[in-house]
Amino acid sequence: GENVEQHPSTLSVQEGDSAVIKCTYSDSASNYFPWYKQELGKGPQLIIDIRSNVGEKKDQRIAVTLNKTAKHFSLHITETQPEDSAVYFCAALSGGGADGLTFGKGTHLIIQP
Amino acid sequence: NAGVTQTPKFRVLKTGQSMTLLCAQDMNHEYMYWYRQDPGMGLRLIHYSVGEGTTAKGEVPDGYNVSRLKKQNFLLGLESAAPSQTSVYFCASSYGPMAGGYEQYFGPGTRLTVT
Repeated sequence: GENVEQHPSTLSVQEGDSAVIKCTYSDSASNYFPWYKQELGKGPQLIIDIRSNVGEKKDQRIAVTLNKTAKHFSLHITETQPEDSAVYFCAALSGGGADGLTFGKGTHLIIQP
Repeated sequence: NAGVTQTPKFRVLKTGQSMTLLCAQDMNHEYMYWYRQDPGMGLRLIHYSVGEGTTAKGEVPDGYNVSRLKKQNFLLGLESAAPSQTSVYFCASSYGPMAGGYEQYFGPGTRLTVT
């Protein structure tokens, strides 16, 4: 089955700086890679996603890049703000048939004022 | 439009007891999912359903059963709870398959403790 590794587990950045979270996946047939933000006591919320036919996608301060050859994808947040503090999860949808995501273990992003 | 709701929000069980977690969505979604979230483990898929009357196993199905008798509801059952099932359970739904471009929406979670 699919295996998703996510790094780092904790990331602390100064407000206004950029944050980068990286994930690798194992199944070359995986074709959909979403990123979720989870605030304390809430369920995950989709913030951006990318499909295997695209190398990069941007939405305001958030961007995701995908390198299919190396089987890794990254989340980039620019001009970080206090409300960006949360746990972020990457995930991959395997091409094996089951319609469920395999998640990374999460990154706790801390924005220092 | 409440989205995805889960009942109950919290529950404490003794080992061997049974319970049912209810997930309801009012978005007319075909697909529904149950995940569990453990510290340092991310979310793992337990079971999912691609339509009313259908269910399928996910990554960690052992010890759980599910039913989808109505399109809007997806029930997760624990017949004989074990301490290893202490976790936060999340339900999610989507209009269609994620491979087809449909977003998955998550509920607020149920925190279950088995003593």
